[in-house]
Amino acid sequence: GAVVSQHPSRVICKSGTSVKIECRSLDFQATTMFWYRQFPKQSLMLMATSNEGSKATYEQGVEKDKFLINHASLTLSTLTVTSAHPEDSSFYICSAREGRRRGLTNTEAFFGQGTRLTVV
Amino acid sequence: GEDVEQSLFLSVREGDSSVINCTYTDSSSTYLYWYKQEPGAGLQLLTYIFSNMDMKQDQRLTVLLNKKDKHLSLRIADTQTGDSAIYFCAGGSYSNSGYSTLTFGKGTMLLVSP
Repeated sequence: GAVVSQHPSRVICKSGTSVKIECRSLDFQATTMFWYRQFPKQSLMLMATSNEGSKATYEQGVEKDKFLINHASLTLSTLTVTSAHPEDSSFYICSAREGRRRGLTNTEAFFGQGTRLTVV
Repeated sequence: GEDVEQSLFLSVREGDSSVINCTYTDSSSTYLYWYKQEPGAGLQLLTYIFSNMDMKQDQRLTVLLNKKDKHLSLRIADTQTGDSAIYFCAGGSYSNSGYSTLTFGKGTMLLVSP
């Protein structure tokens, strides 16, 4: 299957600082990217959907000013956790797929390896 | 919205069959999925089943779907130590922007001992 690379895989940062997580599609054009978050012993929850060249759409309860998503190219999307706090410590994972059609099945979405963020 | 539940842990011996169970609430999901996550790796789509099917077999994997009970299971035959991973059940759903996306269970950690 297609390859999606997420970086870094682990990061520890101090409270109040910002952290950027990158998600790259290596062998296809990722027109649409999804960002998920997983708290310990909880489900992966969708945070936002982004299309290349346009603003991300956030799910209910996700602060867009805190979780900045940039999808400026067809191979790269970034998630920046601004002014991180310990409660932002979580596992963040992206998925990417080609095509803008909303009804594409999820068999065409490929996941990165995830980023474990710890805020101290 | 969709709610997906699965047990958190399963331990089996090598060569045995493993059965991972999942229940979901949204019967409108067109597809139901099983993903595997190995340590340090991304989620890998293992298999999926269309909602109008009740069984799908793919080599060592068998997916059973009971739509009446909203119950999905994944059976791994002749489980190997390399099958040790976290397995996520997921139902199709829609994001706020109308894109088809996934609602995941919490994941079942499968531990296979020699």
